[in-house]
Amino acid sequence: NAGVTQTPKFQVLKTGQSMTLQCAQDMNHNSMYWYRQDPGMGLRLIYYSASEGTTDKGEVPNGYNVSRLNKREFSLRLESAAPSQTSVYFCASSEGLWGVHDQPQHFGDGTRLSIL
Amino acid sequence: SQQGEEDPQALSIQEGENATMNCSYKTSINNLQWYRQNSGRGLVHLILIRSNEREKHSGRLRVTLDTSKKSSSLLITASRAADTASYFCATAHAGGTSYGKLTFGQGTILTVHP
Repeated sequence: NAGVTQTPKFQVLKTGQSMTLQCAQDMNHNSMYWYRQDPGMGLRLIYYSASEGTTDKGEVPNGYNVSRLNKREFSLRLESAAPSQTSVYFCASSEGLWGVHDQPQHFGDGTRLSIL
Repeated sequence: SQQGEEDPQALSIQEGENATMNCSYKTSINNLQWYRQNSGRGLVHLILIRSNEREKHSGRLRVTLDTSKKSSSLLITASRAADTASYFCATAHAGGTSYGKLTFGQGTILTVHP
């Protein structure tokens, strides 16, 4: 009963390096989300995917790309990491059916990313 | 910009006391949700209140919603040290292609002293 699993849990990068954060859910949810959490800023939505094959920008998409590989997996890629992208990244999922908004989101435990 | 603004930013109480956190938002919503985050962990859903509801209970949690004032409150009764965490309100926008997308507030840090 894993729920939402994120890998890796910690990562240190140098400026300009690239990496992909992985997320998988086992709840057969339609919608998946990527957030970043910074001190004093709460959670800000980077990208989301309403269903397999679709992705949409959130509040802070610049510098990121996403791939909804299948219904279970939603990855976040930093093509050229910058110090401003140092943050804790959370993946979440929800049933997210069309026209149904009252679904809670289920979160992974995050990836702590430092960019030097 | 953040939809929800929470007050207070930090709250420190003794075990057994009640804790009240407030959330205000700016635009019309479909529902409002409260989440808890323990240190170093992801967010956990606590309770959801729909826009046509005024009050909801779950165990020691009581949530109210006033859509005319665009505000909500979360009351935790008889607090325990294990309630120490950050609490976030999140609003779900109605209609369109939101697909259950949430906008989170900045959170209230609750510390319950034994």
